[in-house]
Amino acid sequence: EPEVTQTPSHQVTQMGQEVILRCVPISNHLYFYWYRQILGQKVEFLVSFYNNEISEKSEIFDDQFSVERPDGSNFTLKIRSTKLEDSAMYFCASRAVGGAGYTFGSGTRLTVV
Amino acid sequence: EDQVTQSPEALRLQEGESSSLNCSYTVSGLRGLFWYRQDPGKGPEFLFTLYSAGEEKEKERLKATLTKKESFLHITAPKPEDSATYLCAVQNTGANSKLTFGKGITLSVRP
Repeated sequence: EPEVTQTPSHQVTQMGQEVILRCVPISNHLYFYWYRQILGQKVEFLVSFYNNEISEKSEIFDDQFSVERPDGSNFTLKIRSTKLEDSAMYFCASRAVGGAGYTFGSGTRLTVV
Repeated sequence: EDQVTQSPEALRLQEGESSSLNCSYTVSGLRGLFWYRQDPGKGPEFLFTLYSAGEEKEKERLKATLTKKESFLHITAPKPEDSATYLCAVQNTGANSKLTFGKGITLSVRP
C-alpha cells in the first residue's frame, strides 16, 4: 500500500539552529500538508501546499517556517532558528485530487535542546 | 472557527466489552468527518470518512456513525490490539482543505 515517508524519524538540534524535515508524499497525490503534535496535545495544522504554492497556513506558521517542493518527489519543512517550544512530532500528509483520505507519514520527532 | 471535542479522554475496556467513543463538532459547513487511529510514536492511520448525517461505515470491529452535531465510533467486542488513540477530525466546506482535530480518546483493552 502506498505510504508517505518522512526522514529523519528523530532529530535533536540546538536552540537557534535550522532544521529541515523531509517528506516523500504518495506519488499521484497533489495536496501536501504539514501538521505538528506537541506531546500530550492535539494534532495542529501548520500549512497546506498545492500547485507549487502555499494554499493556507495557520498562525503557528510564521516567518520562522518555510516549505518547499524542491523536486518532483520531496516536500520539505524548514524551521529557522529553532526554539524550545518547537519540540514536537511533525507529520507530513498528502491527498489525491478529489480523494477522501489524508495519508499521514510516521512523523519526525524534533527535540530542541 | 471549527471545533472538535472528543469524550471521554480515556477509556479502559475488558476484552469483548463493547463501547462507543464520542466526537462532537462545530463547523460552518461540513465537507467530511474523519476518524483516525494513532499508535504511540506513530502517525495517524486513516479509518473512515463520513460526509452526511445518517451515514455509517464499518471496518472489522469498528463502526462509525454521523449526525449533524456528532459522530460515534462504536467498538464491538474489542481485542487488546484495538488499544490506541482514536482521533476525530473535520474538514470544512470552505476553499481550504485542512483538518481540524480533537484531542483524541486513548483506548486500553485489557485481555
